[in-house]
Amino acid sequence: AQKVTQAQTEISVVEKEDVTLDCVYETRDTTYYLFWYKQPPSGELVFLIRRNSFDEQNEISGRYSWNFQKSTSSFNFTITASQVVDSAVYFCALSEDGGSQGNLIFGKGTKLSVKP
Amino acid sequence: DTGVSQDPRHKITKRGQNVTFRCDPISEHNRLYWYRQTLGQGPEFLTYFQNEAQLEKSRLLSDRFSAERPKGSFSTLEIQRTEQGDSAMYLCASSFSGGGWETQYFGPGTRLLVL
Repeated sequence: AQKVTQAQTEISVVEKEDVTLDCVYETRDTTYYLFWYKQPPSGELVFLIRRNSFDEQNEISGRYSWNFQKSTSSFNFTITASQVVDSAVYFCALSEDGGSQGNLIFGKGTKLSVKP
Repeated sequence: DTGVSQDPRHKITKRGQNVTFRCDPISEHNRLYWYRQTLGQGPEFLTYFQNEAQLEKSRLLSDRFSAERPKGSFSTLEIQRTEQGDSAMYLCASSFSGGGWETQYFGPGTRLLVL
């Protein structure tokens, strides 16, 4: 069965610290996509990144970076030099069948609080 | 280019009443999804449409719930005889599916409180 686990319920850091959010997934498919979404207090889920199962290259976008490791079924997200505006709940999600199956399977989210 | 919009943003109702939510997807998107999110949890899939066809329904979608997407544009989600357990955030997302990968873009959600 497909499943996404975000073991960290809440993380609190001080501004400018680096922080890594963990995501572990389970799937029997060989073709799948992984996603990260950000949910600020306003409630709207904001798309951050999509990764397919055949591309294990790490990705960097500004202060954000993602580490995808199929060997450990993990897709971790690191924020470098965190800022107060990074405070939000972050969700990791899985979509099977190359993303064409439809529904996303979400983890329970990690609430990140960045204090000034 | 406008994003996904949902209306209303907040709804308070009494148990037993019917409620209807609306979602307007991004204009060129052919898929539309409904999710439900309760406090402290990730969104859970309810149903999705490709154009006007409802292709999949979750077991979470009891017979009190019905969704439509007439003409493949906006969608409505109706809950009949609401129960307190229906209190949640209802999220709509849309995507363009050309047969391969897709990315879902979410609206701001409708927060429902059943008293």
